[in-house]
Amino acid sequence: QLVQSGAEVKKAGDSLRISCKASGYPFDTYWIGWVRQMPGEGLEWMGIIYPGDSETRYGPSFEGHVTISADKSDTTAYLQWSSLRSSDTAMYYCVSKGSAGWDYWGQGILVTVSS
Amino acid sequence: QSALTQPASVSGSPGQSITISCSGSSSDIGPYDDVSWYQQHPDKAPQLLIYDVTHRPAGISGRFSASKSGSTASLTISGLRAEDEARYYCNSYTTRAIWMFGGGTEVTVL
Repeated sequence: QLVQSGAEVKKAGDSLRISCKASGYPFDTYWIGWVRQMPGEGLEWMGIIYPGDSETRYGPSFEGHVTISADKSDTTAYLQWSSLRSSDTAMYYCVSKGSAGWDYWGQGILVTVSS
Repeated sequence: QSALTQPASVSGSPGQSITISCSGSSSDIGPYDDVSWYQQHPDKAPQLLIYDVTHRPAGISGRFSASKSGSTASLTISGLRAEDEARYYCNSYTTRAIWMFGGGTEVTVL
């Protein structure tokens, strides 16, 4: 199960960290990914992390703008921005990859950024 | 790296079968069997329908089936029902060691 933190309303230039708490499976050994869905648009991979060794890979459109991390002791993954833009307004999902594909999805976090 | 190519919309009548294509390249679908499909209803999180090209997770109806030929994957929905009206996405592992979604296909049940 993946439980994400609550909706956020921020201003452009603010920093933000959102979380994804995992339970019920071996957190260390499953990739966790973050997916963006802008209003009315499709799904985009932002990046993925392997909590066991913190190997992280970013989608080409997101490298340098966001940071993905994971805390093994708390079985929680994070997505953070140092300076939000209005174009970061979107729904953000975390998802884990078990033996049957990317099968467990969080409920999503709506991030609204005003200019 | 552009998204995998899916038709914007597909429609069918109840009981019919429809097929959604997902066109990729030698950098994604072609070399890998890590292709999956997701269903997303409005304001809901996506749900996994198919993984590893053809496999259904437990609890997914047998009306959903999928295949791959070369760099194109396909999802077929048989016996179309009203509750199948949703947006469908393909997803593939890529040579960049990350996954990539298709643009999504809106399925309408007439």
